[in-house]
Amino acid sequence: AQKVTQAQTEISVVEKEDVTLDCVYETRDTTYYLFWYKQPPSGELVFLIRRNSFDEQNEISGRYSWNFQKSTSSFNFTITASQVVDSAVYFCALSEANVSGAGSYQLTFGKGTKLSVIP
Amino acid sequence: SQTIHQWPATLVQPVGSPLSLECTVEGTSNPNLYWYRQAAGRGLQLLFYSIGIDQISSEVPQNLSASRPQDRQFILSSKKLLLSDSGFYLCAWSVFVSGPRNTEAFFGQGTRLTVV
Repeated sequence: AQKVTQAQTEISVVEKEDVTLDCVYETRDTTYYLFWYKQPPSGELVFLIRRNSFDEQNEISGRYSWNFQKSTSSFNFTITASQVVDSAVYFCALSEANVSGAGSYQLTFGKGTKLSVIP
Repeated sequence: SQTIHQWPATLVQPVGSPLSLECTVEGTSNPNLYWYRQAAGRGLQLLFYSIGIDQISSEVPQNLSASRPQDRQFILSSKKLLLSDSGFYLCAWSVFVSGPRNTEAFFGQGTRLTVV
């Protein structure tokens, strides 16, 4: 069974500080996919990144960066120089490879980390 | 570009009343479609997914049902709502891919359902 743990329920930072959101996952599959989503107060989930288990390269996109470490089953997300617009709930999710056929079925989500960036 | 529409945005329904939430996707064909529920203070739970018209799989037994009458339309229904059905319902779609590859899902704006 797969599981995603986001131990940080809520984090508050002052604007321009860096912040790291932790994500630890469990899966028995050797092929799997990891995701981060942002849920602003409006409610919709915004896709941020997908990573497959074969690609351990870290990724940077503007102020966002992701650190994937298979050895510790972690996929952490860092926001550099945080801004008020970064305030949201962030979800980490895991999907195992669907060997029987087509597409992604179940995304297993963590419970989310609520980030508040204070001006 | 692809877009997903979900309505209504908010809904207050009495216990025992029926429910119908609708979701449509534009700009893509044969998408995988999903219904998720987010209860207060909890993560998202997959309720139903569909890989094609009239092909619905249920992940969680409950008094909800889903239907896919058209390729890009996904409907969540209930004949009689329970208090425990309150929550934030999100429709999502992903690209249909073959083989053991997964892609990201894109979500609608959600429906906040309050059962009173």
